[in-house]
Amino acid sequence: DIQMTQSPSTLSASVGDRVTISCRASQTIYTWLAWYQQKPGKAPRLLIYKASSLEGGAPSRFSGSGSGTEFTLTISSLQPDDVATYFCQQYTSYPVTFGGGTKVEIK
Amino acid sequence: EVQLLDSGGGLVQPGGSLRLSCTASGFTFSSYTMNWVRQAPGKGLEWVSAISGSGVNTYYADSVKGRFTISRDNSRNTLHLQMNSLRAEDTAVYYCAKDSGSSAQNDYWGQGTLVTVSS
Repeated sequence: DIQMTQSPSTLSASVGDRVTISCRASQTIYTWLAWYQQKPGKAPRLLIYKASSLEGGAPSRFSGSGSGTEFTLTISSLQPDDVATYFCQQYTSYPVTFGGGTKVEIK
Repeated sequence: EVQLLDSGGGLVQPGGSLRLSCTASGFTFSSYTMNWVRQAPGKGLEWVSAISGSGVNTYYADSVKGRFTISRDNSRNTLHLQMNSLRAEDTAVYYCAKDSGSSAQNDYWGQGTLVTVSS
């Protein structure tokens, strides 16, 4: 199975800061990577797919980059509404696997 | 508007069974692979199972293989997860999730249904 490792597990930043979250795959997943945002008590929401494509309706301050085994989710200017946990997911092959999550807080 | 409505969760004893359902609307259900993803309390997301649009192909996580069965009824736009031999570690919120079609990211999710396995 492909293991997905996210870092950091928690981050605290100020409103307006640029925030980056990393995700590493245990083997190449090309660009078959998605990022999800999950708020407490809610279902996950798709933000980014195919590593860098922005899902319709997702704010343009979110962007994704990377290929192979190293990927990044960037929030260009952190907003209070972005407080959530973010998960990466590889969908190269079954079993689909998720990263452990990164909880984003406002400082 | 795409909607996925999860149901069927509840409290069950270890070794017991439960059947989850997901009722879909707003898209051509039979054209899309569907998934179950779970989340234990305070934990991350774990993919559980997937089924192709026709229902011919099914896939399972090792943690549930041989105990859970995914199925679908395309005439009723419904996805099911039959869960047998339940264990405490199966306690989680279970979400159904739709593949996008172009590739396997999950573009729509149900609201989740809580399964608690406890005596």
